[in-house]
Order: sequence, then structure tokens, then C-alpha cells
Amino acid sequence: DIVMTQSPDSLAVSLGERATINCKSSQSILYSSNNKNYLAWYQQKPGQPPKLLISWASTRASGVPDRFSGSGSGTDFTLTISGLQAEDVAVYYCHQYYHTPRTFGQGTKVEVK
Amino acid sequence: EVQLVESGGGLVQPGGSLRLSCAASGFTFGTYWMTWVRQAPGKGLEWVANMKEDGGEIYYLDSVKGRFTISRDNAKNSLYLQMNSLRVEDTAVYYCGRGWAEIDFWGQGTLVTVSS
Repeated sequence: DIVMTQSPDSLAVSLGERATINCKSSQSILYSSNNKNYLAWYQQKPGQPPKLLISWASTRASGVPDRFSGSGSGTDFTLTISGLQAEDVAVYYCHQYYHTPRTFGQGTKVEVK
Repeated sequence: EVQLVESGGGLVQPGGSLRLSCAASGFTFGTYWMTWVRQAPGKGLEWVANMKEDGGEIYYLDSVKGRFTISRDNAKNSLYLQMNSLRVEDTAVYYCGRGWAEIDFWGQGTLVTVSS
């Protein structure tokens, strides 16, 4: 199975500052034939289901604010929140769909400092 | 508007069975892969199973193989998860989601509690 490891487990950021979450896969999730990274990012607020933020490592989902961006390739990926807003307080998960079983990172809790 | 509504959760004893349902609306259900993901209380997300549009491909998490069965009825726009031989460690909120790759829409989830 592909193991997804996020860092840090939690972070506190001041409003308006940048939050950076890392995700590392135990093997490459870049499919060479189409040059796509099979990675998504989700946001989950308390008591709610996850919400898709980013797919294919860097494509924002419809309606997602542009302060959310995804980057990386191969085994190392980053979710950046540029200018944290109070409504961004949540747990964030990365997710690989390169291989079955699909696997998720353990989650990163983002709070306001 | 895409909507996914799960039902069928509840309290069951170890070794028991439950059947979860997911009612879909707002999109052409029969043209999408569908997925079940679970989340134990206070824990992270765990993929459980997925199924191709026509049911021709099905995949399971190893720990549920032989105990859980995913199915769908495209005429009824519904996805199911039959769960047998339930264990305490199956306790979780079960979400249905749309998609083979990224899961672009999620239901609100249904809680399954396995306890004596």
C-alpha cells in the first residue's frame, strides 16, 4: 500500500499569514504516460464531511478560493493557504488515487495563532 | 445540485450486519464511479471500497474483503454497502462519495457503532 505522511500534524498560523502543509508518498504517484500526479487535498471542518480543494496535485476545485494552492510532483507535495482566514480552520488531508487501496494522509489540523 | 444522502447506520453487536444506502441526485449517477470512505471517531479518513459505473470493477480495503459488499442500482440512483461480521474496529462514520480519482462530492455520512 502507498503510505501518505503529512507534516506537521498541526500548526497555528496568524490570520493573514501563510500556512504550509506537506504530504509525502511512500512511492511516486506521478503517472509517466500522462505526466499527472494522482493526488488530491481535502478540507474537513468539525461535524462536516470532507470537501475537495485540489485534484491532480494542483488543480483547484470549482468554487475554491485562490488562496488555496497545491504543488509538488512524484513523492513530495504541498498545500499552501496564502493568507489564512478564520474560516480556514479545519483538518486537511492529502489523498492518493494512483493505486488501490486508495490512501489518505493522517491529517493536519490548522488553527489560528 | 449534487446530493448524496447516506442512511442505514446504527448500533449493532459484534458479528452483526448492517446495510448502508446512499441516495444520489443532481447528476447522472450511472456515469460515475462511486466510493465508500469511513472515519472512526476522532480519527482520519480510510477508503473502504469503490465500484465502476456499470459494476464491472469493484475494489475493497483488505480488512473488509469477504465481509463487506458494495453494490449499486443505477435505476434507483443508489449505492449500497452490505456489512457482515462486523467488528468493533468497523465503528465509524461511513461516507459515500462520487468519483474514481478525487472524490468531488461527499455525503454527510452515517454512523455505524459496533459494540456489545
